[in-house]
Amino acid sequence: GAVVSQHPSRVICKSGTSVKIECRSLDFQATTMFWYRQFPKQSLMLMATSNEGSKATYEQGVEKDKFLINHASLTLSTLTVTSAHPEDSSFYICSARGGTAQETQYFGPGTRLLVL
Amino acid sequence: GQSLEQPSEVTAVEGAIVQINCTYQTSGFYGLSWYQQHDGGAPTFLSYNALDGLEETGRFSSFLSRSDSYGYLLLQELQMKDSASYFCAVRGGNTPLVFGKGTRLSVIA
Repeated sequence: GAVVSQHPSRVICKSGTSVKIECRSLDFQATTMFWYRQFPKQSLMLMATSNEGSKATYEQGVEKDKFLINHASLTLSTLTVTSAHPEDSSFYICSARGGTAQETQYFGPGTRLLVL
Repeated sequence: GQSLEQPSEVTAVEGAIVQINCTYQTSGFYGLSWYQQHDGGAPTFLSYNALDGLEETGRFSSFLSRSDSYGYLLLQELQMKDSASYFCAVRGGNTPLVFGKGTRLSVIA
């Protein structure tokens, strides 16, 4: 299957700093990318959907000014957690899909964020 | 929107068979997927059903009944390494995957 990578895999930062997470589709063009967040022992919750070249669509309750998403190319999307706080500590997982809605979503390996 | 229901926990004995059920409500339906997630890891794709019936992949099988908005994941010949969380997920129309809350499977000796 297709490969999606994320970087970094793990990050620890101080409260108030910003953290950028990259998501890359390695062998296909990802027209649409999704960002999920998963707290311990909970399910994956969709944060936002981004289409290449356009603004991301955020789910209800997700602050767009805090979680900045950029999908500048068909192989790269970034999520920036601005002014991170301890409650933002979570497992962030990106997912990518090709050109049509019927296509499979492929998941990255996730980024574990710990804000001290 | 979409919503899914699955049991929160299941315990089964090594070598046995276990079935994890999933019921869903969705406007529009492209298919039911199953993912496995070990502690600390990302979800990994197990199976996908777009049509009614049973799909078999090795020890794992997945079933779908669209008329009942119901599916299940069947794991045979359970192994200790199968202990993980299992998520059903649906996509309704041009929407991303929406996940159930997950079923934590514990395989005991």
